[in-house]
Amino acid sequence: DSGVTQTPKHLITATGQRVTLRCSPRSGDLSVYWYQQSLDQGLQFLIQYYNGEERAKGNILERFSAQQFPDLHSELNLSSLELGDSALYFCASSPPPDSKGQYFGPGTRLTVL
Amino acid sequence: TQLLEQSPQFLSIQEGENLTVYCNSSSVFSSLQWYRQEPGEGPVLLVTVVTGGEVKKLKRLTFQFGDARKDSSLHITAAQPGDTGLYLCAVQGFGNEKLTFGTGTRLTIIP
Repeated sequence: DSGVTQTPKHLITATGQRVTLRCSPRSGDLSVYWYQQSLDQGLQFLIQYYNGEERAKGNILERFSAQQFPDLHSELNLSSLELGDSALYFCASSPPPDSKGQYFGPGTRLTVL
Repeated sequence: TQLLEQSPQFLSIQEGENLTVYCNSSSVFSSLQWYRQEPGEGPVLLVTVVTGGEVKKLKRLTFQFGDARKDSSLHITAAQPGDTGLYLCAVQGFGNEKLTFGTGTRLTIIP
């Protein structure tokens, strides 16, 4: 158990819909990262928050957004869903300084029908 | 082109054998990490290497960071079925905390 929690574990929805994925980092970790893992693209970095502020952006679509709240939990919002958004979405957290490894949650498997 | 190439892509060996998998790039990195991921679960951090030429051991696993900090290898001695999984290397650039993951090596240990 990494100490990072993610909900829900599975999510099935239809094209055009909007969903919210939730992540709680390990106690004491200020950074939260979101990643998408699909069969053809591997594990891709989406976005990072540090203590409530956006710190880095990766290959995140404009239809996707995220935020980190004062209690440090984070949410990833995916809207206007397409079939190609079906993937595993992972949240990770890391302690400061943020260069010694990240701890991943169990992931949310999103299926868009 | 991929920033990080891992080889082999797939590896299936008998229990008790030794193996080495590789992570290669043409770029220099501030640090490199190895993760193992099992189906349906998140990657689990195995090790972080920072210094060129660094060697770290974790029980039967030996990790090496290349002298030029562009590549790394993971050697497993006397492989066990519990070593089965997807092995991913990941790097951070200088002044950059986000991880870029390699293509992965899917390892299967046959009892």
